[in-house]
Amino acid sequence: DTGVSQNPRHKITKRGQNVTFRCDPISEHNRLYWYRQTLGQGPEFLTYFQNEAQLEKSRLLSDRFSAERPKGSFSTLEIQRTEQGDSAMYLCASSRSGTSGGARETQYFGPGTRLLVL
Amino acid sequence: LAKTTQPISMDSYEGQEVNITCSHNNIATNDYITWYQQFPSQGPRFIIQGYKTKVTNEVASLFIPADRKSSTLSLPRVSLSDTAVYYCLVGDGYSTLTFGKGTMLLVSP
Repeated sequence: DTGVSQNPRHKITKRGQNVTFRCDPISEHNRLYWYRQTLGQGPEFLTYFQNEAQLEKSRLLSDRFSAERPKGSFSTLEIQRTEQGDSAMYLCASSRSGTSGGARETQYFGPGTRLLVL
Repeated sequence: LAKTTQPISMDSYEGQEVNITCSHNNIATNDYITWYQQFPSQGPRFIIQGYKTKVTNEVASLFIPADRKSSTLSLPRVSLSDTAVYYCLVGDGYSTLTFGKGTMLLVSP
């Protein structure tokens, strides 16, 4: 299976600690997205990359959050000085832009990383 | 970005056809309609996408009337494993996705 993978699947940390999540997109996909999802809500957009360039960031992405995608392949999302409000599922998705014929690009999601901040 | 409205929850029984309707009154000319399915503790999974009329794949059908102000996801003969949250999204396909709360479908024996 060559779908989107995320690691770790679960993370428990204490308030104030730093955490880092990794996302490996589908290999030929040039776009990579990060979302956050809390219980009972739909995913909320955080940021996205086209290749290695970070093109858009949500206002939800505070300065404690940073995302990178070196070499346009895998991506990491780091949360510094975690707070209890950061507890959520962090989802990564990838897509391939530039499809022809008016077809809309489809985002494929990974299984997510569930973060619990104590 | 067009806003969507869909029922918070629906109940069904195994073997029945389920239709989930989504309203998107402010849909733009370039917008497509996309449905995702999400099981607990998993990421959303693409189900179907359409622009107008009817689209069918091996999983579902999507009905879009001429005015495109609504759409209906049709799941034929649901099973227990179709219990999930279903999201309707509208967008031009070249920007980020905006999810609502979705429709929680519960299929009972």
